[in-house]
Amino acid sequence: GAVVSQHPSWVICKSGTSVKIECRSLDFQATTMFWYRQFPKQSLMLMATSNEGSKATYEQGVEKDKFLINHASLTLSTLTVTSAHPEDSSFYICSAPEASGKYEQYFGPGTRLTVT
Amino acid sequence: AQSVTQPDIHITVSEGASLELRCNYSYGATPYLFWYVQSPGQGLQLLLKYFSGDTLVQGIKGFEAEFKRSQSSFNLRKPSVHWSDAAEYFCAVGPDTGRRALTFGSGTRLQVQP
Repeated sequence: GAVVSQHPSWVICKSGTSVKIECRSLDFQATTMFWYRQFPKQSLMLMATSNEGSKATYEQGVEKDKFLINHASLTLSTLTVTSAHPEDSSFYICSAPEASGKYEQYFGPGTRLTVT
Repeated sequence: AQSVTQPDIHITVSEGASLELRCNYSYGATPYLFWYVQSPGQGLQLLLKYFSGDTLVQGIKGFEAEFKRSQSSFNLRKPSVHWSDAAEYFCAVGPDTGRRALTFGSGTRLQVQP
């Protein structure tokens, strides 16, 4: 099956710094990727839709200037958490839909962000 | 707007016992339904999916789920639980209007007693 990777798998940063998380589709092309956030013991909440060649679409309540998304190619989307604060600490998961249109998603393994 | 409800936050079963995890959805058309499992600190693994056809779907690891349109449910079952099944289980529905993202339920944490 299709594989989606994320890098790094975990990162610790200081408050006020920026962190970039990469999401790659390894064996298929993805014009769309999704970024989810998962707080401890909670469900996945969609943050934004990353679109290759155009601007990302953000969910209501998600700060565009804080969570910068760039879909640089058909296999790479990046999420940059700018001026990170402790409340941004979370598990970030990306996914890419499979091509047939049946809405199955291939999920990355996630990135654990801890802001100190 | 579509939504998914998993009524049980936490379930404990004995190893070897049967399991049923509940999932109810709200969706305007024929939904695509999924069950995912997540081990602590890990990503999501797809257990099974329903798109159309036979309402009883078989998945990996001995899991199955039944789509019941009249009850707006997609409950996950396993006849005999193994200790390794202890994890968080998420039901999801898609697509969301205008995009292809999934909407997830709040999850059910399964604990397996020896």
